[in-house]
Amino acid sequence: SQQGEEDPQALSIQEGENATMNCSYKTSINNLQWYRQNSGRGLVHLILIRSNEREKHSGRLRVTLDTSKKSSSLLITASRAADTASYFCATDARGGGNNDMRFGAGTRLTVKP
Amino acid sequence: KAGVTQTPRYLIKTRGQQVTLSCSPISGHRSVSWYQQTPGQGLQFLFEYFSETQRNKGNFPGRFSGRQFSNSRSEMNVSTLELGDSALYLCASSWDTGGEKLFFGSGTQLSVL
Repeated sequence: SQQGEEDPQALSIQEGENATMNCSYKTSINNLQWYRQNSGRGLVHLILIRSNEREKHSGRLRVTLDTSKKSSSLLITASRAADTASYFCATDARGGGNNDMRFGAGTRLTVKP
Repeated sequence: KAGVTQTPRYLIKTRGQQVTLSCSPISGHRSVSWYQQTPGQGLQFLFEYFSETQRNKGNFPGRFSGRQFSNSRSEMNVSTLELGDSALYLCASSWDTGGEKLFFGSGTQLSVL
């Protein structure tokens, strides 16, 4: 069963705009990660945020984590057409509810040139 | 450094047959996880191996099995294929099972006719 749930399921924006995706989860976690997947390919790791961190940046990516609300958000600033992909959050809850990395269903982002 | 290699890339089988998929992790990685990805269910965890031992198993029937060899390469086997087994099967490797970032292969697209 899935742990995280991304919202929205699909997002369409213009190049240059910011894109925000949200992830909610159910159990206590050790860390939360975001991955990107281009159509029909493997996932690529973007960023990892630990349970004791509240915000993390990597280039045009900004991730926040609110453990009290069991939610995270991924912000992509100044989006480009090449950012078009599916984005997944994954939670590591070992020692708690699960013993593996659990992925959400993903947000499909389309960036129009 | 070579990435995670999955073979074959595409596979077409008929119901009732069995199939074996292969995954070669990044050199030095000892943990290999397998996921099934379908449009309706997202990524579902199958199993995780570490140093030739199965550490965790997802909620899949016994028709799905796997193993890991001493060189960390892993195989998964699906017997008595069903139409619903059609999916992208993704393998991911990491240094250990500590919930750190996963490195994914490009996947094996299995179609069951």
